[in-house]
Amino acid sequence: QQPVQSPQAVILREGEDAVINCSSSKALYSVHWYRQKHGEAPIFLMILLKGGEQKGHDKISASFNEKKQQSSLYLTASQLSYSGTYFCGTSYGGGADGLTFGKGTHLIIQP
Amino acid sequence: GAVVSQHPSRVICKSGTSVKIECRSLDFQATTMFWYRQFPKQSLMLMATSNEGSKATYEQGVEKDKFLINHASLTLSTLTVTSAHPEDSSFYICSGAGAETQYFGPGTRLLVL
Repeated sequence: QQPVQSPQAVILREGEDAVINCSSSKALYSVHWYRQKHGEAPIFLMILLKGGEQKGHDKISASFNEKKQQSSLYLTASQLSYSGTYFCGTSYGGGADGLTFGKGTHLIIQP
Repeated sequence: GAVVSQHPSRVICKSGTSVKIECRSLDFQATTMFWYRQFPKQSLMLMATSNEGSKATYEQGVEKDKFLINHASLTLSTLTVTSAHPEDSSFYICSGAGAETQYFGPGTRLLVL
């Protein structure tokens, strides 16, 4: 089952914040967040495994709700380099499972 | 961090020919590798799971006789697109399974004329 990502697209000014959501109709094993620039492969941002987990580095963080059905990615004080398409990849069965990706959120940061 | 390479990065071929794409884990051993396909402006779709020393597992709708996968060692998996047609033109990306997440290769852009 493909996770639902929202919003589809976001346009921000540099320095503004953004939240990207990823939700599933049933409990997940893990959520993986990636950013992809046009024509390039996805770059791994972070993984969440535990319900209620929050983690992050620099100005990019993410949360995983207690039921493990929703995750949010937080981008604070956005920089031009944050532009790209953000995907959540979900796994139901464990670490050796392929990921099912959401449709992606296009983030455009304007100077 | 874990590094995965892919070769070639870009390939153009004529309809009816076969194309082989290599995926290598450079600094870790990947018992499991995954092959994804991404059409323009779409998300990544899992094609198959490749396990070293055994047959690949294909997702529903992916023709195993058309997309041949071989995972002969812990650091190399290959995808061969047989009798390629224009509709096979896509961005093919492999990943190697690490301890917690997957590490993606840079992708191979295939154009079938």
